[in-house]
Amino acid sequence: SAVISQKPSRDICQRGTSLTIQCQVDSQVTMMFWYRQQPGQSLTLIATANQGSEATYESGFVIDKFPISRPNLTFSTLTVSNMSPEDSSIYLCSVERGPGQGTYEQYFGPGTRLTVT
Amino acid sequence: GENVEQHPSTLSVQEGDSAVIKCTYSDSASNYFPWYKQELGKGPQLIIDIRSNVGEKKDQRIAVTLNKTAKHFSLHITETQPEDSAVYFCAATTRNSGYSTLTFGKGTMLLVSP
Repeated sequence: SAVISQKPSRDICQRGTSLTIQCQVDSQVTMMFWYRQQPGQSLTLIATANQGSEATYESGFVIDKFPISRPNLTFSTLTVSNMSPEDSSIYLCSVERGPGQGTYEQYFGPGTRLTVT
Repeated sequence: GENVEQHPSTLSVQEGDSAVIKCTYSDSASNYFPWYKQELGKGPQLIIDIRSNVGEKKDQRIAVTLNKTAKHFSLHITETQPEDSAVYFCAATTRNSGYSTLTFGKGTMLLVSP
């Protein structure tokens, strides 16, 4: 598995501001993922972050709203920009780790609980 | 793209009973099917998974079955305990350009009463 930490664990922010969420993994991984989980809902993939290249965003998510950095193989950040109450969600990072070939398992961090007022 | 349907949305059982959660997927190219358990205030925890070349997998009290023809897979929990109470998510994934993209079901809230 993988040990993943996220900072902050929770925050309450005012609309119009931005928040940067950090994700740290205990060992090097190729792929890191950012998900959003709205209250009582399932997980939706925001983007995939590969070290050394631009993040790949899913439909409905744009870089200006959710800029991502991936400076090395153990760390990534997600920024939620110009926040509105609709951005109130749990934001989760995950990493892919598995055998040398085939499908890889994904492990999740504890999440960042964001409330926008 | 992939679509994953999960049923039921809530499931209440008595301690010691069995629980079954079912999922269907749409993309016949999907080849990996993990199950996650999410307790309140925590991130999802991978509890079991199955690959498309296997029909069934067991790990102590939990098992997963896969029917590729019908494109559905199920989670079975036997001898349920109160600590099994959580939200369970199924997912399906297809390998894409060197990494896997997970599509999740909407989740099942399992409540095990003592």
